Parts: sequence; C-alpha cells; structure tokens
Amino acid sequence: DAGVIQSPRHEVTEMGQEVTLRCKPISGHDYLFWYRQTMMRGLELLIYFNNNVPIDDSGMPEDRFSAKMPNASFSTLKIQPSEPRDSAVYFCAIQGGGQRRGYGYTFGSGTRLTVV
Amino acid sequence: RKEVEQDPGPFNVPEGATVAFNCTYSNSASQSFFWYRQDCRKEPKLLMSVYSSGNEDGRFTAQLNRASQYISLLIRDSKLSDSATYLCVVNERAGGGADGLTFGKGTHLIIQP
Repeated sequence: DAGVIQSPRHEVTEMGQEVTLRCKPISGHDYLFWYRQTMMRGLELLIYFNNNVPIDDSGMPEDRFSAKMPNASFSTLKIQPSEPRDSAVYFCAIQGGGQRRGYGYTFGSGTRLTVV
Repeated sequence: RKEVEQDPGPFNVPEGATVAFNCTYSNSASQSFFWYRQDCRKEPKLLMSVYSSGNEDGRFTAQLNRASQYISLLIRDSKLSDSATYLCVVNERAGGGADGLTFGKGTHLIIQP
C-alpha cells in the first residue's frame, strides 16, 4: 500500500548546493504536507497544499526553502542554497481522498538529507 | 502556544509486561486524537484513533480525558516488536479539518527479552 513515494531516499550534498526533494502521491488525496523531523525539534510542518494550492507556508524556515505542486501527482521541496542545519529527514504526507476529515495522514518513507 | 507534550522516555519494559504512557495537549478546542508508531529510520504510521469513549484494538487501548486534556495508550502483553517511538497527535482545528494535526515528539519504548 504505497500511498506516497518520495525520492531520493538519501541525499548527501555540500553546503551551498541546491537540493530538490520529490513526492509522488499514489493514492487519492485532498491535502499534501511537507514535514521535517529532527531529534531536537520532532516533526515540524513546513508547508501544505489543498487541491494543489499552497495554503500555509508559515513553517518554511526561510526564503531558501520553496515548494511547488504542479499537479495532484507530484510535489517538490527545494532548498537553495543548502546549509548544514538543514540536515534532517523530510517527509511528505497526504490526507483525504475519501478518508473522513480529521483522519490521520499517510506518510512517505522520507528523504534523509545530510548537508556537509 | 499550542503544544502536545510527551515523556520522551525511553521506557524499558520486560517482554510480556503492561506499559502505559500519557500525552497532554494544551488546546481545549482540540477535536480528534491519534497515536502513531514510528520505527527507527522509518516513517510514522497510524496506530489508532482515540475516541471519546475510549477504544481498544487487540492489545492496545487508547483513552481520552478531555477534562484533564490528556490521552493515554496502554499496551498489554508487550512484544519485542512493540519497540518503537509512539507519537501522540492532536487535531486542533474546529471541525476536525485535515490541516490541523500537531505531533508530539514521541515516547521511545524498548521491550526487553
């Protein structure tokens, strides 16, 4: 039951480089979320989309981060330029598509980003 | 600031024992509640929803106390495979909107043989 596919699974990059993380929802959805998880801060919501439209990006750390959702089957999270403090696991999650409102999310396997 | 608080643990529990942990939330208007399980280096997965009347799923029992603003998870006859991090999740949106989930940082559980 692969509801969300994320790529790459692991990414190691040098400080200053551009990083693009990808999310491909397989199952139906109304909402798509990008989260970041670290040991210190737990899961943090970065941005979410409703029917492909960005609704709230207040969690995006700074202008270096941007996200797009050109269609219902694809979303990207871009960091440019990357910094070591961006190292974390980035999750994409979906909700909706027939599930009752308020129900839980389905997460992708995540992208483990290391910026050196 | 609206928060979901959990004891990070770790809880070290012998196999077969019963273990329980709580989670407190600050927003009294919260509408729905969940427990997620996250294995090491994996994504969070929904374990169970928490209903006002309490609910049970096999060895797992979830309870909600709205007056004191906490939810609990009880695991009976614990198995080695129960070792994981358990995330408390609260939906703070009125009407239970999909965009209102707040995640706790998780409680780490280790079941020992």
